[in-house]
Amino acid sequence: EVQLVESGGGFVEPGGSLRLSCAASGFTFSSDAMNWVRRTPGKGLEWLSYISSSSNTIYYADSVKGRFTISRDNAKNSLYLQMSSLRAEDTALYYCARPGPRLYDLDSWGQGTLVTVSS
Amino acid sequence: SYVLTQAPSVSVAPGETARITCGGDNVGSKNVHWYQQKSGQAPVLVIHYDDDRPSGIPARFSGFNSGNAATLIITRVEAGDEADYYCQVWDSRSDQRYVFGPGTKVTVL
Repeated sequence: EVQLVESGGGFVEPGGSLRLSCAASGFTFSSDAMNWVRRTPGKGLEWLSYISSSSNTIYYADSVKGRFTISRDNAKNSLYLQMSSLRAEDTALYYCARPGPRLYDLDSWGQGTLVTVSS
Repeated sequence: SYVLTQAPSVSVAPGETARITCGGDNVGSKNVHWYQQKSGQAPVLVIHYDDDRPSGIPARFSGFNSGNAATLIITRVEAGDEADYYCQVWDSRSDQRYVFGPGTKVTVL
């Protein structure tokens, strides 16, 4: 069974930084691309970033480009999201999500980790 | 980047049929995927590639995609179907790869 468990969320002041982690199990992590998606009260689900299995291909949403960095450690079956220059509008529940075999959909999701940005 | 639109809310009585629409420019030329997100839970993929149900999803869920609109259809609605539903496409023409609609809140009366 695919399991994705996010951690690292918390309370941070505007301008601060936070690193999220996603621990994967139940599948061959090193063979699959991964993504970060967030849910905000006002905007619903928002895709943030994609990383290929070998980290060769990375994409970011315009809203986080230059502030967030996605990475992975296949030896540790782990996905990361380094977030900096955080803003109030980054307050959200952050999910890691695995694409389906054809990459076009997201067939497995973690339960999410909450990030609150406030002074 | 590509934009998807959804009505904010739909209300339906138990046992009736809910239709949730996702609009987009020539969305019929793309594959549309649908996610159900219940309160406090992670999103669940309920329809992918327009009309295909992943394993474990009840046959009450179906999808259709043509022209400028895709539709998620839930027949014989149950109280447990109350959730937010999001459509999503893959945008190969930009770096904004996974595009979500704003979501539709389905309320079971």
